[in-house]
Amino acid sequence: GAVVSQHPSRVICKSGTSVKIECRSLDFQATTMFWYRQFPKQSLMLMATSNEGSKATYEQGVEKDKFLINHASLTLSTLTVTSAHPEDSSFYICSARDWEAPLQETQYFGPGTRLLVL
Amino acid sequence: AQSVTQPDIHITVSEGASLELRCNYSYGATPYLFWYVQSPGQGLQLLLKYFSGDTLVQGIKGFEAEFKRSQSSFNLRKPSVHWSDAAEYFCAVDMFSGGYNKLIFGAGTRLAVHP
Repeated sequence: GAVVSQHPSRVICKSGTSVKIECRSLDFQATTMFWYRQFPKQSLMLMATSNEGSKATYEQGVEKDKFLINHASLTLSTLTVTSAHPEDSSFYICSARDWEAPLQETQYFGPGTRLLVL
Repeated sequence: AQSVTQPDIHITVSEGASLELRCNYSYGATPYLFWYVQSPGQGLQLLLKYFSGDTLVQGIKGFEAEFKRSQSSFNLRKPSVHWSDAAEYFCAVDMFSGGYNKLIFGAGTRLAVHP
């Protein structure tokens, strides 16, 4: 149980285009999902917290107009990188909390999406 | 300030040797503590977690960790390392900050295992 999927696993795009990454909780409902960014050989940095049916909460320094987050259902959150540039190339990882789990504090992570902007 | 510190960036051990990865945190309240492992190009897998109760917690793959409140530490241990344990290990603390709970990660420790 507690599986989180991401799609696509890898994407290459041209500079200036937009890319959408999906994060799904496959066997549980997730009222809260998180988006992280990880540069090579570095730790995960929280970008934003996504709550179902409400606006995402962005961490300081993260451009909300560039990284659009939508959490339209209890099992799906999307991250759209708008007008992507080479500096946006990174590994993007989502996670989700299981709302019905006895200890909601555990986050389950997706496998990540590697974005390369040319 | 709230933070998580993993002092060792790289650790190399021989297969069969014991392992201890260090983690220290700075947080005013009782923390929820986690260890995750990440293989190259992969997402994170939860090894173990501590919320309350027994301060020595057992995880998957033969790992264990001990919460020491007096030292603000949550070190990960394994008595005998296998070559497949080579990966990046992240300590994380669930903290209440900015109005909600969020995970703060340490910088990670890259483990190499010599045959």
